[in-house]
Amino acid sequence: NAGVTQTPKFRILKIGQSMTLQCTQDMNHNYMYWYRQDPGMGLKLIYYSVGAGITDKGEVPNGYNVSRSTTEDFPLRLELAAPSQTSVYFCASRGGDRLTEAFFGQGTRLTVV
Amino acid sequence: AQTVTQSQPEMSVQEAETVTLSCTYDTSESDYYLFWYKQPPSRQMILVIRQEAYKQQNATENRFSVNFQKAAKSFSLKISDSQLGDAAMYFCAYRRLIRDDKIIFGKGTRLHILP
Repeated sequence: NAGVTQTPKFRILKIGQSMTLQCTQDMNHNYMYWYRQDPGMGLKLIYYSVGAGITDKGEVPNGYNVSRSTTEDFPLRLELAAPSQTSVYFCASRGGDRLTEAFFGQGTRLTVV
Repeated sequence: AQTVTQSQPEMSVQEAETVTLSCTYDTSESDYYLFWYKQPPSRQMILVIRQEAYKQQNATENRFSVNFQKAAKSFSLKISDSQLGDAAMYFCAYRRLIRDDKIIFGKGTRLHILP
């Protein structure tokens, strides 16, 4: 029972490099989310998706891109990494039922140096 | 825009005592959900309790209960008989009930349990 799986768990990037944070869920959930968690700042929504082929910006989308070609996968792309993107990134998913909560991955700690 | 405010960055409570974490939110919607999530040092986000706005009865889950005051837009979490395993970051969250339902989180309250 995997739930939401994020890879990698840790990563160090140099300024200007690019990378993709992977997120996959095996619960057939329609809704998927990417958050970043900065110390003392809670979780801020980067992008979200209400289904395959549909994505939308959250509060802090600048510097990131997403795609949702399948129901299971929701990768987050960082282009030209900057120190301000040092954070812990969480992927989450939720089913379509009104009552369901979001299920979270274990997070990816990203450091940009 | 919806906002969620947790005004207590840190709190401490003696083991076996009761503690209440505060949360207020701002919305113009009449139907929505509110959640409390727990984040232990492992970083895993764990749902503690949820409340549907149209239900007047406060939700309870074992030692965890909420005080939901819809008119005041307040949603506090009460933890009874605090245990060492309750030490964590607690986040209050809000979700609308429309198609593009973003989940908005507060900044969190770090709870320390004193033995």
